[in-house]
Amino acid sequence: GQQLNQSPQSMFIQEGEDVSMNCTSSSIFNTWLWYKQDPGEGPVLLIALYKAGELTSNGRLTAQFGITRKDSFLNISASIPSDVGIYFCAGRMTTDSWGKLQFGAGTQVVVTP
Amino acid sequence: GAGVSQSPRYKVAKRGQDVALRCDPISGHVSLFWYQQALGQGPEFLTYFQNEAQLDKSGLPSDRFFAERPEGSVSTLKIQRTQKEDSAVYLCASSLAEADPLPNEKLFFGSGTQLSVL
Repeated sequence: GQQLNQSPQSMFIQEGEDVSMNCTSSSIFNTWLWYKQDPGEGPVLLIALYKAGELTSNGRLTAQFGITRKDSFLNISASIPSDVGIYFCAGRMTTDSWGKLQFGAGTQVVVTP
Repeated sequence: GAGVSQSPRYKVAKRGQDVALRCDPISGHVSLFWYQQALGQGPEFLTYFQNEAQLDKSGLPSDRFFAERPEGSVSTLKIQRTQKEDSAVYLCASSLAEADPLPNEKLFFGSGTQLSVL
């Protein structure tokens, strides 16, 4: 089963609004990743974080690696219609192999004009 | 094509039937991963390869699941005696990176094979 708690499960927002979602875990992670998945496609990497406290931006996206190493958040500013999709957090536990990522259950974002 | 290619795109199997799912990674990518994604859930790790070596198969749910990558390129995920609970999208991903993550570590996912077991 999945070890990451991702919230909210879904968000209905108006175009131009900011979006915020987060992931928490009871285990320590050494990597946090944020992905977006469109229907019928595989996830696409948005942001990668490697150090506790790290804050990284990619255009209108900003993500942070929590200082406890057990959480991360993703913000999307000034949302646009193409931001619609499912966003997943993923992390690599310190006790797992490099190739093994744990994924959250996803946050579905719906943007209305 | 330039991306990860998976086939078939859709597979319907009768319970008890064996299936084989194919993944063609991006040319030159060293690492290859298989994930299982149930409806409404995030992907769950199954196994990963570095070249032809299967370095972690801790996510394979039972001995009915078997994956191989004999020449370090194409990979096949085989499921024997399929059960209804095996119904899911099976995602393959590949990466240029090896064991030490590079600053621009990136997994490229295919579009998946949707398996339905009746």
